[in-house]
Amino acid sequence: SQQGEEDPQALSIQEGENATMNCSYKTSINNLQWYRQNSGRGLVHLILIRSNEREKHSGRLRVTLDTSKKSSSLLITASRAADTASYFCATDAGSAAGNKLTFGGGTRVLVKP
Amino acid sequence: NAGVTQTPKFRVLKTGQSMTLLCAQDMNHEYMYWYRQDPGMGLRLIHYSVGEGTTAKGEVPDGYNVSRLKKQNFLLGLESAAPSQTSVYFCASSYIGEQYFGPGTRLTVT
Repeated sequence: SQQGEEDPQALSIQEGENATMNCSYKTSINNLQWYRQNSGRGLVHLILIRSNEREKHSGRLRVTLDTSKKSSSLLITASRAADTASYFCATDAGSAAGNKLTFGGGTRVLVKP
Repeated sequence: NAGVTQTPKFRVLKTGQSMTLLCAQDMNHEYMYWYRQDPGMGLRLIHYSVGEGTTAKGEVPDGYNVSRLKKQNFLLGLESAAPSQTSVYFCASSYIGEQYFGPGTRLTVT
């Protein structure tokens, strides 16, 4: 079964708007990662947030992590048509577990020009 | 650097046939992983390896075998393909933290 549940499953916005997606998970984690997947392609790593961090930024991306609620959010600001993709959260239980990632079901984002 | 490469890109098998998917990475990563992705879903881990000569089962290992004879290569085998194994297969590698993914192999079993 998948560790993460992502919400919403799909999101449609206009270029320039912000996109927010959420991820909830069930067990304790070492870190949480977000990936992007363009249609028909492999996944590309976006950002990693460790369990002792609460917020992290990378360019137009902002990720938050609330370990007490076992949840994370990804915010994409000033979206562009090129941001159209599926976004996945993935939890990493740590090196003792082989740094395995458990993925959520993803959020499909459509950015309309 | 080529990163993570996968061979083949596409394959059609008949039920009962066997095949091997090859994953290669040139980043000297210790960890390698095989996932499958079904339509509209996230990735599920099939098998993984934490180093040359070692392999371990993931979430959905049944019907698959793997080998890691060389650090840079991770092979995924289907001994007797079934229609339920129709999927897109992704390989990934990592040192620690983020994983680097290959472009995927689209497999159809008829």
